[in-house]
Amino acid sequence: AQSVAQPEDQVNVAEGNPLTVKCTYSVSGNPYLFWYVQYPNRGLQFLLKYITGDNLVKGSYGFEAEFNKSQTSFHLKKPSALVSDSALYFCAVRPEGSSNTGKLIFGQGTTLQVKP
Amino acid sequence: KAGVTQTPRYLIKTRGQQVTLSCSPISGHRSVSWYQQTPGQGLQFLFEYFSETQRNKGNFPGRFSGRQFSNSRSEMNVSTLELGDSALYLCASSADRGPSNYGYTFGSGTRLTVV
Repeated sequence: AQSVAQPEDQVNVAEGNPLTVKCTYSVSGNPYLFWYVQYPNRGLQFLLKYITGDNLVKGSYGFEAEFNKSQTSFHLKKPSALVSDSALYFCAVRPEGSSNTGKLIFGQGTTLQVKP
Repeated sequence: KAGVTQTPRYLIKTRGQQVTLSCSPISGHRSVSWYQQTPGQGLQFLFEYFSETQRNKGNFPGRFSGRQFSNSRSEMNVSTLELGDSALYLCASSADRGPSNYGYTFGSGTRLTVV
């Protein structure tokens, strides 16, 4: 079965320190990969995506992610965390193929807590 | 440009009733997908519409249905509501013009509470 795993329910980091939110996936073919952030009682905000090309993807608000095909991972990173980065983060995969149009498979989410 | 608009933001319904939620995509986007978000099951794909046709469907019972109009606006309907249908319903729109343009913009969601 196709799936996305975010192994950490919560990540705690001090402001100014680097942060990593982990994501691994299990889908066939060449998936398209996304990261979204959700603030309380809000929808999902797009951070970045990997479709093809350079394995290091830069996105919004200073976030970046590294695609690793051999490890089927797509970890989200930021060099210096801000308190305002505290939110719920979702990794998502759109499997390859026309039968998967419009369908994102989401991980369970990771709560990022950045402390001053 | 305007984002994805979902109405209403909040709804309270009684078990057994039906409900209709609306989603207006970004201008020019022809693909609209719907998702259900609950604390227990997370984000789950309901269905996707493109040019008024359902192209893809998730594993939800037939009580969940949708449609898309010629202006790409979409509605989803849930009939015979159950307590377990309480959730945040999100829609996402996409231009869907090839992989390099893939991107899904989400609305703020409709919070449905079934009592």
